[in-house]
Amino acid sequence: QSVLTLPPSASGTPGQRVTISCSGSSSNIGSNYVYWYQQLPGTAPKLLIYRNNQRPSGVPDRFSGSKSGTSASLAISGLRSEDEADYYCAAWDDSLSGLVFGGGTKLTVL
Amino acid sequence: QVQLVESGGGVVQPGGSVRLSCGVSGFRLNSYGVHWVRQAPGKGLQWVTFIRDDINEKYYADSVKGRFTISRDNSKNTLYLQMNSLRTEDTAVYYCAKGEWPYSGSPPDYWGQGTLVTVSS
Repeated sequence: QSVLTLPPSASGTPGQRVTISCSGSSSNIGSNYVYWYQQLPGTAPKLLIYRNNQRPSGVPDRFSGSKSGTSASLAISGLRSEDEADYYCAAWDDSLSGLVFGGGTKLTVL
Repeated sequence: QVQLVESGGGVVQPGGSVRLSCGVSGFRLNSYGVHWVRQAPGKGLQWVTFIRDDINEKYYADSVKGRFTISRDNSKNTLYLQMNSLRTEDTAVYYCAKGEWPYSGSPPDYWGQGTLVTVSS
């Protein structure tokens, strides 16, 4: 049972916009930055969004992040086949004194 | 550029021990916190432990507390994970990952490629 809650799956067709929501609590998302990671099959996770809504260099602006209260969202616009991957949200949890992850969302591009 | 390279994985018997290493380049190990995160086969990411930059401050997940120990050798730019009293549920790919800033609360911004530890008799 993950501390952060993600939907197990999401899907969309090429060109569509997809949003993945991550739900937490006051001790994690509510008081700390949210990070998002993309994990392509058979590879290590890669940073997609940091500090709630910042994109590392090299990440397309089709990816965007937001946070409100104890929830955060990752939006992918102009969906492409290469976006098919697992997506994870993460935040530090002050009560647990550790990093917590969502269980992962498998994104399928139909 | 920032790189992290894990090594030391393999097959170990239940109750056994193994030490993982993570060699880093592109940043100074004593200037950033570093995590170990694991992923069991077909499962999601699970945080294991974190060590901050230049002081001996460490954090552990409850599932590994008392069994795993994180340490680093700044002169060798290498991070370690000593894993004792291993259980079958510790089977996973273990990633080392650099924190975005030096102290606790810093999620990873760079990840290694991972090393597989299989606990099996």
